[in-house]
Amino acid sequence: EAGVAQSPRYKIIEKRQSVAFWCNPISGHATLYWYQQILGQGPKLLIQFQNNGVVDDSQLPKDRFSAERLKGVDSTLKIQPAKLEDSAVYLCASSLDSRGGGELFFGEGSRLTVL
Amino acid sequence: KQEVTQIPAALSVPEGENLVLNCSFTDSAIYNLQWFRQDPGKGLTSLLLIQSSQREQTSGRLNASLDKSSGRSTLYIAASQPGDSATYLCAVDNQGGKLIFGQGTELSVKP
Repeated sequence: EAGVAQSPRYKIIEKRQSVAFWCNPISGHATLYWYQQILGQGPKLLIQFQNNGVVDDSQLPKDRFSAERLKGVDSTLKIQPAKLEDSAVYLCASSLDSRGGGELFFGEGSRLTVL
Repeated sequence: KQEVTQIPAALSVPEGENLVLNCSFTDSAIYNLQWFRQDPGKGLTSLLLIQSSQREQTSGRLNASLDKSSGRSTLYIAASQPGDSATYLCAVDNQGGKLIFGQGTELSVKP
């Protein structure tokens, strides 16, 4: 079974530029998450989708971050404009349980460096 | 507000030793608790998931326990190997899939 796919793996941009990350969850998984992991810390939830609807985006900095999940499958996370403090690894995860609360499976992450 | 703490932040042991990693959480109303492994530059690999009604889960040399009343979980690793070197993260779910993570324990197993 294929795992959660993310791209790009690495991205370096200047502050105030924009960037987009892509995630393809495990086939059939209804719930998709984006987490932000700053170096030395545990991941922090940014947004949770169930199918193509947003369940929780309370921690998403909506003035600069946006995310969508088209047709309830792939998802993109965009940052515009980027700030220095956005340097982090962006992890996508998916879960089979449509109600949330099941086992989460993570991708390899997209490492963002903002200069 | 749920807070998750992992102690110690780093641990170095000789190969073959049995060890325990600790995780504590402040809100006992959880759906489940999950232990993950993270290798440098990699994503998270799920190790064990303990539902709120369970007290422990085992997989190979790993055993995780859960005591909701005291807000604690432990991850026991038997006969540690250099390949076990990684950061171990615990996470609690008390809101239908929204995981709250600890900061992790960085484990180094010396040959």
